[in-house]
Amino acid sequence: ETGVTQSPTHLIKTRGQQVTLRCSSQSGHNTVSWYQQALGQGPQFIFQYYREEENGRGNFPPRFSGLQFPNYSSELNVNALELDDSALYLCASSVKLIKIDDSPLHFGNGTRLTVT
Amino acid sequence: SQQGEEDPQALSIQEGENATMNCSYKTSINNLQWYRQNSGRGLVHLILIRSNEREKHSGRLRVTLDTSKKSSSLLITASRAADTASYFCATASDDYKLSFGAGTTVTVRA
Repeated sequence: ETGVTQSPTHLIKTRGQQVTLRCSSQSGHNTVSWYQQALGQGPQFIFQYYREEENGRGNFPPRFSGLQFPNYSSELNVNALELDDSALYLCASSVKLIKIDDSPLHFGNGTRLTVT
Repeated sequence: SQQGEEDPQALSIQEGENATMNCSYKTSINNLQWYRQNSGRGLVHLILIRSNEREKHSGRLRVTLDTSKKSSSLLITASRAADTASYFCATASDDYKLSFGAGTTVTVRA
């Protein structure tokens, strides 16, 4: 059983640029969530996708967007990067929606984004 | 803002000792989960306790939940060097997301 994989592992971008982060969900998982973790903080929920549709969003501006593909892989896109976007971005997959089922999240190791 | 607050922020113990950390939250929940994060890595799910449960065990882990006080505790018994990590509580409510606290950093000294 393959776990959650994320790419790239590290990324350096300049303020104002755009970035795309990628995630492959664990086999058999149909829900993917994205979290932002600033240094020394806990993860903050960005959004969740279920069957290719956004199914919940945290307190993040529209320049944070995502996609989920038929094979349940996912992308996180961030436009107009700001310095405060520097963080570890974590992808997590699960079997069902948390609201319906108590399914724990399986996290990837994240992408470390640095905005200069 | 974060739903959960862990206490203490940091904990240093000797190998073989027990480690206890607490989590308080603000709103009603469906379940509460604990995760571990080794430095610079992803989070690993440790244990889940539902809102109608009061205590749960998994190996060397013991979790309690007091919904009247909106609090939970995680006990790690007979700690090992490999337990050195950050520990996060996360609450699941009706809005599809897990809300994480800021974490407790545990250092186990050999």
